[in-house]
Amino acid sequence: DVKVTQSSRYLVKRTGEKVFLECVQDMDHENMFWYRQDPGLGLRLIYFSYDVKMKEKGDIPEGYSVSREKKERFSLILESASTNQTSMYLCASSSRRFGAYNSPLHFGNGTRLTVT
Amino acid sequence: DQQVKQNSPSLSVQEGRISILNCDYTNSMFDYFLWYKKYPAEGPTFLISISSIKDKNEDGRFTVFLNKSAKHLSLHIVPSQPGDSAVYFCAASKYGNKLVFGAGTILRVKS
Repeated sequence: DVKVTQSSRYLVKRTGEKVFLECVQDMDHENMFWYRQDPGLGLRLIYFSYDVKMKEKGDIPEGYSVSREKKERFSLILESASTNQTSMYLCASSSRRFGAYNSPLHFGNGTRLTVT
Repeated sequence: DQQVKQNSPSLSVQEGRISILNCDYTNSMFDYFLWYKKYPAEGPTFLISISSIKDKNEDGRFTVFLNKSAKHLSLHIVPSQPGDSAVYFCAASKYGNKLVFGAGTILRVKS
């Protein structure tokens, strides 16, 4: 069974802090993703990586950056946290077998980030 | 502008009856559709998918119907069970590109 592990379930940070959200997958998947989930808006893609050191912007990359130094690990970085980044953050991975998005995504359990 | 819409925020169904969750999309170029289920405090899990070359796909109690002319997708759960109570997300993609998710529908199955 694929396991996607997000390092924190809950985080509380102050405005202006630099925040790191970590994600690790154990299935040797090529693709990794960061989404945020907000009520009424569903899941929105922040960044996507299809290989080590490769990244692509999603729909809402502003205020975020990512790092993928190893295949199994994908980090989301909030350079200077703001209150509008309070959200549920979901990491996901998938294999490249059927194309970047046609392979089902395997999600972690999420990190609830509150920025005060 | 939301390209994938789930217009019903919630749905309540009696155990044993049929649950029908609906999804509308605006982009006629979408060629692959998926449903995900999410329990509280867990990440979404893949449920079922359908390619635009089909109009129906079935997996046990779950059936997804695609009506391309109406740009409408529905998920049928028969019979509904209390364990099906969750948030259901519809998602669509175009040529293997990024998924676009709907806002989700909360399903409550009453026993």
